[in-house]
This record gives sequence, structure tokens and C-alpha cells, in this order.
Amino acid sequence: QSALTQPASVSGSPGQSITVSCSGTSSDIGNDNFVSWYQQHPGKAPKLLIYDVTHRPSGVSDRYSGSKSGNTASLTISGLQAEDEADYFCSFYTKTKTIFGGGTRLTVL
Amino acid sequence: DVQLVESGGGVVQPGGSLRLSCSASGFTFRISAMTWFRQAPGKGLEWVSTITGGYSATYYSDSVRGRFIISRDNSKNTVSLQMDRLRADDTAVYYCAKGPFLWLAYCDSWGQGTQVTVSP
Repeated sequence: QSALTQPASVSGSPGQSITVSCSGTSSDIGNDNFVSWYQQHPGKAPKLLIYDVTHRPSGVSDRYSGSKSGNTASLTISGLQAEDEADYFCSFYTKTKTIFGGGTRLTVL
Repeated sequence: DVQLVESGGGVVQPGGSLRLSCSASGFTFRISAMTWFRQAPGKGLEWVSTITGGYSATYYSDSVRGRFIISRDNSKNTVSLQMDRLRADDTAVYYCAKGPFLWLAYCDSWGQGTQVTVSP
């Protein structure tokens, strides 16, 4: 059982926006902003999309955005493209460990 | 450009040992925390262990503590994971990743991974 809870799958059509949720507790997501999101295409290494809830690394499209409300963090992808079809993992780090959500498979219809 | 190249994976019997290595380049290795993650077949990501930059403090997940040891050689820009008493549920692709700070945080670059299979 994963420490953070994500939906197993989401889907959307090209051009649409989708949101992936990541539920934690008041001890993790609700307590600090150390939430990050990773994208993973099949057979490839994960790629950092968002760090510290809302920040995008250099080179990551501004179609990806992050937010947080209470114990739940969210990743929004706007203007869906075929290349967005992948697995998405949320993560939270503390001083001594990192925990992940179980991952969400995004299907672009 | 940052490059992380893992090596050392393979097939090992339960109870055996394996040592993974990750060769790093393109950034100031000694001041970067380095982390090993893994991903079992068809499963999600799992944090395994982190070694900080600077004092090389080490942290382990409950599932590997006491069996795995992470270490780094700043003179060779490498981080290693010594895995002992391997079990079937250690079977996974193991990824090496770097953080942006001395301490444990998110990881901004990942290697391509190395497969570890624990099987009789």
C-alpha cells in the first residue's frame, strides 16, 4: 500500500485539461510543501515535472502545473498532447525519507 | 549535461549479494545528495536509500535497512549500493538519481536504470 493515494488512471482528449490528485495526510502533504511530480514513459527513466508543489524545472513545459489544498496535491496538464500519455507519480520528501503515490496512468484518447 | 550511468545489475540467487554503481558527470558531485530508487515489474516507484553531500549521512527505507549499504566516492564521482541478503521482492529496475542540494530532497536527474533479478 502506497503512502500517498493517486487514482489508478485518468484520460482526456487532445487539447483538454486533466488533473491528477495525490492525497496524503496532515503529517506529510498537509504539513509542508515538499511535493514533487514525476513523469515516466514506458521503459524510460522518470523525469521531474514539478517540485515544491508549484515549481517547474527549466525546460519543462508550462502546460504542467502543480497546486495543493490541505492534504491533497494536484498536477494539472493543459492542452493535452499525445506525448503526455505516460505514468505520473507524486512524491513527498522529509529530512530522512521519500514516499510516493502508486502512480496514475494517463491515456490520451 | 548531467549524466548518470548505472551498472552492476544482473541475476542473483536469493540470499546472494550484488553491488550497483552509478557513475556521475556534468555537475558538482560532492555537494549533491544521491539517491537510489527502484521499480518492481509493473509497479510504482520506491525510494531505497539516500546519501547526502558533505558529511555523507545515509538514509534507508525500512524494506532494505540492515541489508543494503549506500556509499559514495567523491574522488571518482560514483555512488554505490551494496545489496546483501537479497530476496525475490528486491527484483526491480534500480535507478540512480541526483538531488539539487546537499540534503535529501527531490531528484532532478535520473539514470536509465539497471535490472536486478533475484531468482533461484
